[in-house]
Amino acid sequence: DAGVIQSPRHEVTEMGQEVTLRCKPISGHNSLFWYRQTMMRGLELLIYFNNNVPIDDSGMPEDRFSAKMPNASFSTLKIQPSEPRDSAVYFCASSTLTGNGETQYFGPGTRLLVL
Amino acid sequence: SQKIEQNSEALNIQEGKTATLTCNYTNYSPAYLQWYRQDPGRGPVFLLLIRENEKEKRKERLKVTFDTTLKQSLFHITASQPADSATYLCALWTGANNLFFGTGTRLTVIP
Repeated sequence: DAGVIQSPRHEVTEMGQEVTLRCKPISGHNSLFWYRQTMMRGLELLIYFNNNVPIDDSGMPEDRFSAKMPNASFSTLKIQPSEPRDSAVYFCASSTLTGNGETQYFGPGTRLLVL
Repeated sequence: SQKIEQNSEALNIQEGKTATLTCNYTNYSPAYLQWYRQDPGRGPVFLLLIRENEKEKRKERLKVTFDTTLKQSLFHITASQPADSATYLCALWTGANNLFFGTGTRLTVIP
């Protein structure tokens, strides 16, 4: 298996532009997580899905952020409009739903810089 | 408030020594505790999981302890090597199918 795939790996955009981050989870995994990592705040959970359904989006900073999972093999995280404070590394992770601790498998991340 | 604290931002040790990293938490009741390794420019990678009713878990040169009374986990790397240099994250799983991560400890093993 190729692992969790994220694209793009790097994104540089200007304030006010729309940014779309993409994720393909590991085949067979039924939970998907979006995280944001910064030096100041560490790894923060933004939203997660079970079986393509959003379960908890309390970590989404504000209405400018939205996430979708139209099918089991694809998810997007969109920021519109983007702001410089959104600059961070965004990780997607996936896992299976077992109720036994749920090890998460992370993608390589998307490094976002908003100018 | 809920907190997960890892002992220090950075830890330097000499090659061959045992590295000990600490994870303390407050106002959580984790059923499982996990440790991850993160290298620069990469996503975290799972290392070990320990259940609340387990005291200790080992994997090769790694050892994890979990004390639910002290609300603490210790992560040990014995016979440390420069290749062990990375950031190590602890994460708590409370049963809601998501993980709560600590801020990490950056370990540097000096040759």
